[in-house]
This record gives sequence, structure tokens and C-alpha cells, in this order.
Amino acid sequence: GDSVTQMEGPVTLSEEAFLTINCTYTATGYPSLFWYVQYPGEGLQLLLKATKADDKGSNKGFEATYRKETTSFHLEKGSVQVSDSAVYFCALAGSGGATNKLIFGTGTLLAVQP
Amino acid sequence: NAGVTQTPKFRVLKTGQSMTLLCAQDMNHEYMYWYRQDPGMGLRLIHYSVGEGTTAKGEVPDGYNVSRLKKQNFLLGLESAAPSQTSVYFCASSYPPRGSNTYEQYFGPGTRLTVT
Repeated sequence: GDSVTQMEGPVTLSEEAFLTINCTYTATGYPSLFWYVQYPGEGLQLLLKATKADDKGSNKGFEATYRKETTSFHLEKGSVQVSDSAVYFCALAGSGGATNKLIFGTGTLLAVQP
Repeated sequence: NAGVTQTPKFRVLKTGQSMTLLCAQDMNHEYMYWYRQDPGMGLRLIHYSVGEGTTAKGEVPDGYNVSRLKKQNFLLGLESAAPSQTSVYFCASSYPPRGSNTYEQYFGPGTRLTVT
């Protein structure tokens, strides 16, 4: 079945450092891909998405490119801030999808130190 | 708009007790979902609904029941709570997808449940 694998955390960075969180997926067809962010004590919020190969999703300085050839959707940010500290989830929605069900990775905790 | 709200925010149950978690959305979304979040396991789908009066099983449905009597509400029930059901529960809602687009899911703030 469909699955998402993302790098384990925690990832600890200094402010203004470059961030990469790796995400790879296994799916039949052409899934849509998402990054969600969860700030402490809150629910998940959509950070960015891409619905077809070579699409680049971007938001708040974060970017991810849908790479079908490597089945990847890595999250990047050029200069992280303390306020980016959160748990980041990679997810996919299957292309068969009359139901829009999401498959999530296990989450990566990012801690940014001043 | 309040978005997606969940009641209660916290609850402690003893093994064998029952309870109902309420999810409400004011965005007129057709689809609603219940997930549980456990350390190291991400979010796993418990049950979902594609419209009023419909429900379906997700990845981990055992020990839970759901109802969608009104479009805006989705209830998650635990008939006989077990310690393995200690978790954070999230509700989400979305539009139905059309064509090749996939609509995002909007999440509630979560309910932290402890079963002793």
C-alpha cells in the first residue's frame, strides 16, 4: 500500500541555518503531496502542497519539489527562525482518491536555537 | 469562522469507561476524518465520512465507532476504553476532490485522552 518515509528527528539547527527534511513516498498512480506543520499544543496546518510531478510548493520561505523520478518531496528553507520550531509531517493523498484520505509520515521535530 | 473545533480538549478515563468526542466544522465540508497521533507513528486514520449519514473504516478502526448525523458534526465513540487508546485525537474536514486536484484537510486542535 501507499506509504511515506521521512527522516527521523529531532533536527536541531541554529537560527539562519539551512534546513532540509527528507521525505520519500511509495504510491500507485500520481498522488498529491503535502507538508503539514504542527506547532506545540496545536493541530496540524497545511504548509505547502504539490499535485503533479515537477510542481514546486512554497509558503513562508519553505519549498518542496515533487520529484517523481526519485519519489521524493524534500522540505527546504534557506534560513530558519526560532519560530519555525515545530513538528513537520510529510503526507500523500492517493490518486484513486474519491475520499481524499491522507497517509502521513511519522513526523520530524525541528528545534531552532537562537 | 471557527473552522474545526473539538470537545473536550483533555479527558482522563478509567479502563472500561465510555466517552464520545465531538468534532464540529462550520465550513460546509463534505468529508470529515478522525485520526489518532502516537509518538513515532505519525497520524493514523481511524474512521472517516464522505457525507451526512455515511461512515467508513480507516487504518485503525477497532475499538471505535463513529456517527455523522449532521453534516457539520462527526462523533467518535469509545464504548469500553483501553490503555492502548491513550493518544491525541484529531478531527479534520475537507472538500471532496474534483478532477486531479486534491483539497487540503483542515484540522482541529486535538483532544488528549488518557486511559488508566
